[in-house]
Amino acid sequence: DQQVKQNSPSLSVQEGRISILNCDYTNSMFDYFLWYKKYPAEGPTFLISISSIKDKNEDGRFTVFLNKSAKHLSLHIVPSQPGDSAVYFCAASVRGSSGDKLTFGTGTRLAVRP
Amino acid sequence: DAGVIQSPRHEVTEMGQEVTLRCKPISGHNSLFWYRQTMMRGLELLIYFNNNVPIDDSGMPEDRFSAKMPNASFSTLKIQPSEPRDSAVYFCASIKGTSGHNHTDTQYFGPGTRLTVL
Repeated sequence: DQQVKQNSPSLSVQEGRISILNCDYTNSMFDYFLWYKKYPAEGPTFLISISSIKDKNEDGRFTVFLNKSAKHLSLHIVPSQPGDSAVYFCAASVRGSSGDKLTFGTGTRLAVRP
Repeated sequence: DAGVIQSPRHEVTEMGQEVTLRCKPISGHNSLFWYRQTMMRGLELLIYFNNNVPIDDSGMPEDRFSAKMPNASFSTLKIQPSEPRDSAVYFCASIKGTSGHNHTDTQYFGPGTRLTVL
């Protein structure tokens, strides 16, 4: 049972435009959400995160939005650059006894066209 | 710092053989995670350790899988016997956090081991 879902396996965007990657979750206990970025032949690297007490977190060109009532979060990249082409994983965690355990989605492959 | 180190980077083996994947976490990190990446299921957590003690192994698929962390700087994931459906990329990650939740820490991943079981 996938508790974190990324329903779009791929996305193609023109350079300079906005990229919007979506993520849905089913576990209402999740209270912290992260996005990781992965290039081929490399491990995922942390990109941005958001706590459930917030609905938006911004870091440069990257903004994550959280809609708790819809159990939905999204990552916006503006403007998109060819170097952003990678697989993006959404992840979620629950405070408490699970410690630092993360539940990941299946990933969305972003291609930014020059 | 060299980051999380995994070996081998690629492993090709035949069904029924034993496979051992190795991981050296970042020095000073006290939690270590083993993940498996597949197209269908994305990144799945297999097991994680805190201070060398296994905390949650609920993601380990079968008894054929086992993991150890004999000391703070080394961990292994063993598959015995291996099967073609075990083919995937296996990642190791480490974090400085403790068993208490620390939102300010992020997991640092190694480059992964691509396992192919024929």
